[in-house]
Order: sequence, then structure tokens, then C-alpha cells
Amino acid sequence: NSKVIQTPRYLVKGQGQKAKMRCIPEKGHPVVFWYQQNKNNEFKFLINFQNQEVLQQIDMTEKRFSAECPSNSPCSLEIQSSEAGDSALYLCASRWDNSGNTLYFGEGSRLIVV
Amino acid sequence: DAKTTQPDSMESTEGETVHLPCSHATISGNEYIYWYRQVPLQGPEYVTHGLQQNTTNSMAFLAIASDRKSSTLILTHVSLRDAAVYHCILRGNTGGADRLTFGKGTQLIIQP
Repeated sequence: NSKVIQTPRYLVKGQGQKAKMRCIPEKGHPVVFWYQQNKNNEFKFLINFQNQEVLQQIDMTEKRFSAECPSNSPCSLEIQSSEAGDSALYLCASRWDNSGNTLYFGEGSRLIVV
Repeated sequence: DAKTTQPDSMESTEGETVHLPCSHATISGNEYIYWYRQVPLQGPEYVTHGLQQNTTNSMAFLAIASDRKSSTLILTHVSLRDAAVYHCILRGNTGGADRLTFGKGTQLIIQP
């Protein structure tokens, strides 16, 4: 069973609304990834962190998302103004370090934008 | 990021052995081959990974071609619980951020 905890499992938002998802990485894992999975099972890398620092993010994330991994608090990913195309499964994953090792995923937060 | 190619779906019967192929013709020398599987309403579950040598664990056997341009995940004595989408992924280092590149995966259907 996954030890990466994501909340909420489901959220429904209207276009233009904010949508916020949270992730508690596996205990002791300083590296956190966010991926977006569409209805065709395709994954898109969004952003990753090591401790509280952003390592990489794509343009879309930088422009439209707000993400953070504060110490002693859950990581979060927030869409500032939801669009229909943002409807997807948002997956959080964590691992021990950034030199490799296995990435473990949470169960995801499914966003539906109506 | 290097890409992988997998069949969209495969079908088998309980108790059989399944060979799931993956093509990665443009793989780089430092890229690992990872396999995850995913069932509906859940995130991907790690299955196995390898670099050059074949590997085995309690879940599967991973056979890697000598030129590393393809690999095959072998599941023995499959059960209904093995029905899932199997993703073949390459893990590379890109400026230290080391992200995974997912394809669409193979939908494995298991018949009773």
C-alpha cells in the first residue's frame, strides 16, 4: 500500500476557480514530484522539490500553478484559475534522494473542472 | 526525454505466463528501465527496474535486450489481481531533477 497520502481524492471546480491538492510524502523522503495524468493515461511532469526548494517545473506550472513543500506541513499544488483542460488525475510521488532510487506514488487527486 | 513504445493492450488467462514488451530504441547509456503498474482509482505501483542485466523479484522478471533497445516484463502464473495498465518508463538525469518519462502503457486483461 502506498505511503504517500494525497487529499482530497476527488474535487470538482468551476472554470476560473482555484483548485488545491495536498500531499504528504512518505516519511523521510525529501524529494517530491507532481505529475498530471490525463484520460488517455498519459503523464505530464509538473514540478519537483527537494526539501522546500523547487528543482524543476514546466512553463505551465510556473504560470498557472502555485506549489510548495513547506517543512513540517503537507506539500500542495494549487491551480490559480481552473480550466476545462485541467481535468485530470494529479499524482504526487516521493523518494529518498535525487540521485535515483524508486519513486513511490500516492493514489492521486482527481480534478473535474465543469 | 527518451520515449518508450508499448502495445495498447494484451490479454491472457489466469495461470498463464505473460510477456509484456517495451521498445526504447533511443535509450541513453545512463537511463534505467522502470516498470510500474496502475489499476483504476489508484496511483502507479512500482514493479521492478533494471539497467543492463535481467532482474527478478517477487512481482516479475525483467528481461533486457543486450543492446538495451527493448525489454520484456514477464509475469508468471498471472491472476485477476494482475490486471492493470503496465507502464514501461525510462529514468534519466536531466540537470539533477531526474524525472520519469511515462508512455500510455499496456492494458493487461486477464480472463478467468
